[in-house]
Amino acid sequence: GNSVTQMEGPVTLSEEAFLTINCTYTATGYPSLFWYVQYPGEGLQLLLKATKADDKGSNKGFEATYRKETTSFHLEKGSVQVSDSAVYFCALHAGNNRKLIWGLGTSLAVNP
Amino acid sequence: DAGVIQSPRHEVTEMGQEVTLRCKPISGHDYLFWYRQTMMRGLELLIYFNNNVPIDDSGMPEDRFSAKMPNASFSTLKIQPSEPRDSAVYFCASTRGGAGVGYTFGSGTRLTVV
Repeated sequence: GNSVTQMEGPVTLSEEAFLTINCTYTATGYPSLFWYVQYPGEGLQLLLKATKADDKGSNKGFEATYRKETTSFHLEKGSVQVSDSAVYFCALHAGNNRKLIWGLGTSLAVNP
Repeated sequence: DAGVIQSPRHEVTEMGQEVTLRCKPISGHDYLFWYRQTMMRGLELLIYFNNNVPIDDSGMPEDRFSAKMPNASFSTLKIQPSEPRDSAVYFCASTRGGAGVGYTFGSGTRLTVV
């Protein structure tokens, strides 16, 4: 079946450090891939997405590239800020229903 | 657009009481999802609707939980009777059909059952 695997957290970085959060997936066909972010006390927000191989999604300095050959969609940011402290979820959509398949989330803490 | 609106934001109730959570999806979205989030179990899909019809309720934990969507602009999740283990944050999300369309989540209802 379809599944998403994210790197376990928590991840702790200093401000301006480089961020990578790994996400790999298993899916039949050609899924769409998403990253969501959840700030403390809030709902999940769509951060970026990619719908086909080699697409790069980007938003707020974050990027992720849909790599079909490695079935990956790793989230990266060149210079994190304290305000990026949140939980990040990788998700995929495949098939005819509209259910998203979620990773377990990775907590990121950025220290000043 | 006001986004997905959930009410109440916080609910504290005593064990055995009925709890009703409410959700207004984004206008034009034809899918609505109810999720529960806890530290122990993470994000769990409870039920989802398409065009007001329940499509998959396999995530509903037991008969104490029920959900309805009487029209395209309103849904409820009811717990009767509530138990302390139901304490969690409950999220509603909506989306429209089509590949690559993400969900829009509400701000959630934090339920505490004492």
